[in-house]
Amino acid sequence: TQLLEQSPQFLSIQEGENLTVYCNSSSVFSSLQWYRQEPGEGPVLLVTVVTGGEVKKLKRLTFQFGDARKDSSLHITAAQPGDTGLYLCAGVEAYGQNFVFGPGTRLSVLP
Amino acid sequence: DVKVTQSSRYLVKRTGEKVFLECVQDMDHENMFWYRQDPGLGLRLIYFSYDVKMKEKGDIPEGYSVSREKKERFSLILESASTNQTSMYLCASKQDRAPNEKLFFGSGTQLSVL
Repeated sequence: TQLLEQSPQFLSIQEGENLTVYCNSSSVFSSLQWYRQEPGEGPVLLVTVVTGGEVKKLKRLTFQFGDARKDSSLHITAAQPGDTGLYLCAGVEAYGQNFVFGPGTRLSVLP
Repeated sequence: DVKVTQSSRYLVKRTGEKVFLECVQDMDHENMFWYRQDPGLGLRLIYFSYDVKMKEKGDIPEGYSVSREKKERFSLILESASTNQTSMYLCASKQDRAPNEKLFFGSGTQLSVL
């Protein structure tokens, strides 16, 4: 069974700070997705990274896929309270039907 | 807006009861999934379906069954609820088998089994 680890598990920061969260696996995935889940809601897709070494930016969020397609990072610049939520990474297996989810990083941005 | 709707936000059941969790999507998606979400464990796949009347076991199917009689509806059934099935249940759908397609999730059903 493929596993994804995420670190840190919890993160509490002040508004305006920068942060990076990590998603690691010993397995190779065809692509990796990042979701954000707010309290009382289901996860919502933020980005999909496909190519090893790929970097994608979404406003203040920067996503990177590792060269070997086993790990990924999410960097948030100048965090805002609206960034608060559970960040989940999901590795997508080659045939696209099985998503392996990490346990998530719970981020709290204090005003 | 596209939508995945789960019938109940909160549900409280007794041990041994039969429990039905309903999920409806309005996007004409072929693929539908049931996950459970527990703190520190992430989302774990229970069952998925890639077509009407088709179902595949996920990673943790024991104690669960599913039904997909219509394309838009995917039901999760707990035949005899147990306390270790207390969890958040998330339904999701996906357009097709392409690997980079995203999952659309419902808002979840928090099930408590007493």
